[in-house]
Amino acid sequence: NAGVTQTPKFRVLKTGQSMTLLCAQDMNHEYMYWYRQDPGMGLRLIHYSVGEGTTAKGEVPDGYNVSRLKKQNFLLGLESAAPSQTSVYFCASTDRVNTEAFFGQGTRLTVV
Amino acid sequence: KQEVTQIPAALSVPEGENLVLNCSFTDSAIYNLQWFRQDPGKGLTSLLLIQSSQREQTSGRLNASLDKSSGRSTLYIAASQPGDSATYLCAVVNAGNMLTFGGGTRLMVKP
Repeated sequence: NAGVTQTPKFRVLKTGQSMTLLCAQDMNHEYMYWYRQDPGMGLRLIHYSVGEGTTAKGEVPDGYNVSRLKKQNFLLGLESAAPSQTSVYFCASTDRVNTEAFFGQGTRLTVV
Repeated sequence: KQEVTQIPAALSVPEGENLVLNCSFTDSAIYNLQWFRQDPGKGLTSLLLIQSSQREQTSGRLNASLDKSSGRSTLYIAASQPGDSATYLCAVVNAGNMLTFGGGTRLMVKP
């Protein structure tokens, strides 16, 4: 039981490049979330999903897209990376709205 | 829009001291409140989950309380140890199923 796994753990992108971050959970959780964590800004919600095939915008969705084609996977895409997207990205999942959330170890992304 | 605030932003205490971390939120219509711990360069680990109908939860030296009507929660750490040094975050879940975080309290426990 691995919990929540994020790949990759580190990545350096050039401005304008695209990439996809993968979040996988093996707990059969319904809810999945993508956050970014920046110094002085805390954790901010980018997008989230309340079930397979559904997605919704969070607090800072611009510049990102997501997909939840399979219940266990939640993908975060950057179509054209910008230096402002340099951050640590965390994925989380939870079974229901009133149960504890589990987090991945994070992806450190640098856009140069 | 839900806003979550944590005070203080940083705290340094000598080993053995009891301490209290504070969390406040603006919208009291929450499903639950969670406290997390984050070590440098790591992900978040859930410490305690308090349902909206509960007043407190305890785990070992940790005790979290919730006063939903006033929009406040506290995390009490008894007999602090150097290994407790980390950033502590609180988060609430409310309508829309979003988990909203405070800015965290960075705790340093000195031997």
